Amino acid sequence: NAGVTQTPKFRILKIGQSMTLQCAQDMNHNYMYWYRQDPGMGLKLIYYSVGAGITDKGEVPNGYNVSRSTTEDFPLRLELAAPSQTSVYFCASLRGLTNEKLFFGSGTQLSVL
Amino acid sequence: AQKITQTQPGMFVQEKEAVTLDCTYDTSDPSYGLFWYKQPSSGEMIFLIYQGSYDQQNATEGRYSLNFQKARKSANLVISASQLGDSAMYFCAMREGGYNKLIFGAGTRLAVHP
Repeated sequence: NAGVTQTPKFRILKIGQSMTLQCAQDMNHNYMYWYRQDPGMGLKLIYYSVGAGITDKGEVPNGYNVSRSTTEDFPLRLELAAPSQTSVYFCASLRGLTNEKLFFGSGTQLSVL
Repeated sequence: AQKITQTQPGMFVQEKEAVTLDCTYDTSDPSYGLFWYKQPSSGEMIFLIYQGSYDQQNATEGRYSLNFQKARKSANLVISASQLGDSAMYFCAMREGGYNKLIFGAGTRLAVHP
């Protein structure tokens, strides 16, 4: 059981470049989330999705876009990367029960130079 | 306004002793959930324990227990018999409202000394 898979694990971008962080889960979970974690800080919600075709903004959505064309995949797109987007990005999912823990991916460490 | 507050940026404890990590929260929603996650230096997020707002008893999971004081809006994590492998960042998080979104605190770094 792979769980939540994120790719790539590490990436260095130049200012102004674009990239897509991939996230896939094989647990048939309805809910998926993207968080960012700045050094020494907690996680902040970027975007989330409650099912295929349904996405919404979280706390810090500026500079990012998402799509959810299938239940399994929830890619995060960075357009015109900026140094402020240097962070560790976590994708997470859960089926939908209120007492259920989030299943996290292993994270993507992104540096924008 | 801060929804989740962890006032201890860093804590240390001697091996085999107990330690309490503080967490206070702010919500007007009667239905909410509180979580604790551990993040070791390797970076992964490890679920430790969950407490629902309507749960009558404090949650326990092995050496972890959650001291839930609803009136004070606190949900402190107690780790008993600390081990060297407990050295990590610990995050308190709250699920509030719909869509199961979690709001995280800033974390507490715990160091366990031999």
